[in-house]
Amino acid sequence: KAGVTQTPRYLIKTRGQQVTLSCSPISGHRSVSWYQQTPGQGLQFLFEYFSETQRNKGNFPGRFSGRQFSNSRSEMNVSTLELGDSALYLCASSTPSGSGADTQYFGPGTRLTVL
Amino acid sequence: AQSVTQLGSHVSVSEGALVLLRCNYSSSVPPYLFWYVQYPNQGLQLLLKYTSAATLVKGINGFEAEFKKSETSFHLTKPSAHMSDAAEYFCAVTPNFGNEKLTFGTGTRLTIIP
Repeated sequence: KAGVTQTPRYLIKTRGQQVTLSCSPISGHRSVSWYQQTPGQGLQFLFEYFSETQRNKGNFPGRFSGRQFSNSRSEMNVSTLELGDSALYLCASSTPSGSGADTQYFGPGTRLTVL
Repeated sequence: AQSVTQLGSHVSVSEGALVLLRCNYSSSVPPYLFWYVQYPNQGLQLLLKYTSAATLVKGINGFEAEFKKSETSFHLTKPSAHMSDAAEYFCAVTPNFGNEKLTFGTGTRLTIIP
């Protein structure tokens, strides 16, 4: 099976712009989660989607949003970019059993740089 | 809320020596615990996970971890370090009820000395 894919791998934007990142989960996986990784804050949970519904949300401002399509592919959007949004954005997919013990498989990430 | 603490942001060991990376969890009930590894410019790869089936968990690449409830610990070990083990390691936790949110520790960068 192909792994989790994320596009683009690298992105450079300027402050005030918006950006959309894409994630294709492993075939058959219905849950997609997004994480932000920065040197200062580490790995932080953004949100999780399951069957096109946001099921869980982290503590991020409303500028961060996402959605999931019927084929389980997911996008996240960041509007009005700030310098502090520069980070590696990781997507993970899983086949939820409802227990929290599911393995999340991570993609390679999208490196976003905001100038 | 569940959390994990990783002691030591940097650990250096000689090639062939024991690797010990520490992780302590904070939870009112035993959670599910995970160890992930991240190589430079890559995503995270699962090494092993504890889901209450067995306290000693064996993972990939010769790593294992033991869940100790009395010490609220889930330390990662490998008997003999290899140069290819150089990477960053993250301990993570999810609640033991339907919730996919992983809460990560701050990570430990492992350096292998030739």
